Amino acid sequence: AQSVTQLGSHVSVSEGALVLLRCNYSSSVPPYLFWYVQYPNQGLQLLLKYTSAATLVKGINGFEAEFKKSETSFHLTKPSAHMSDAAEYFCAVSDGDYKLSFGAGTTVTVRA
Amino acid sequence: GAGVSQSPSNKVTEKGKDVELRCDPISGHTALYWYRQRLGQGLEFLIYFQGNSAPDKSGLPSDRFSAERTGESVSTLTIQRTQQEDSAVYLCASSSRGYGYTFGSGTRLTVV
Repeated sequence: AQSVTQLGSHVSVSEGALVLLRCNYSSSVPPYLFWYVQYPNQGLQLLLKYTSAATLVKGINGFEAEFKKSETSFHLTKPSAHMSDAAEYFCAVSDGDYKLSFGAGTTVTVRA
Repeated sequence: GAGVSQSPSNKVTEKGKDVELRCDPISGHTALYWYRQRLGQGLEFLIYFQGNSAPDKSGLPSDRFSAERTGESVSTLTIQRTQQEDSAVYLCASSSRGYGYTFGSGTRLTVV
């Protein structure tokens, strides 16, 4: 069975600062990994996904994530935060079957 | 359609009443999922449909919850005798290859 742990339920950053959201996974097989973003009162939108190709994955809105097998991590970063990045972010893992397991989410606030 | 459509977007119901939530997946997506998101919490898997296979109902919290899907089209999630703890956002997602979901905007259910 696979699972995901997101470290930090709330992250606050200044506009223009680095955004770093941490995600560690557990999986008995090579995982598929995902980051989703949820803006207020909206559904979840796929930011990026790792499916065993390049370990550094680039997504939408300037976000990227690096798969590190040795650390079982898939942290999400963005070099310079924008006010529009304020949202909730979810990391998810799949063993290649059909069901994703989601982390508890990290809420990002951006200070002007 | 272009995206996953859910209706209604908001539903307020009295305790003890039955409610029916609807999901229209992306055309051609064989897999359809229902998740529940309680306030301030992560996503809780409810049920999964894949083509004509028997659905995975392992996440349904009680026998008051049921879901149906006709072929690869519309799905309905029914909650009978609603309770206050059923208040949540119910999210539907579909996918074509078993990973990487496209989510709908959700139905916000409030039981009063």
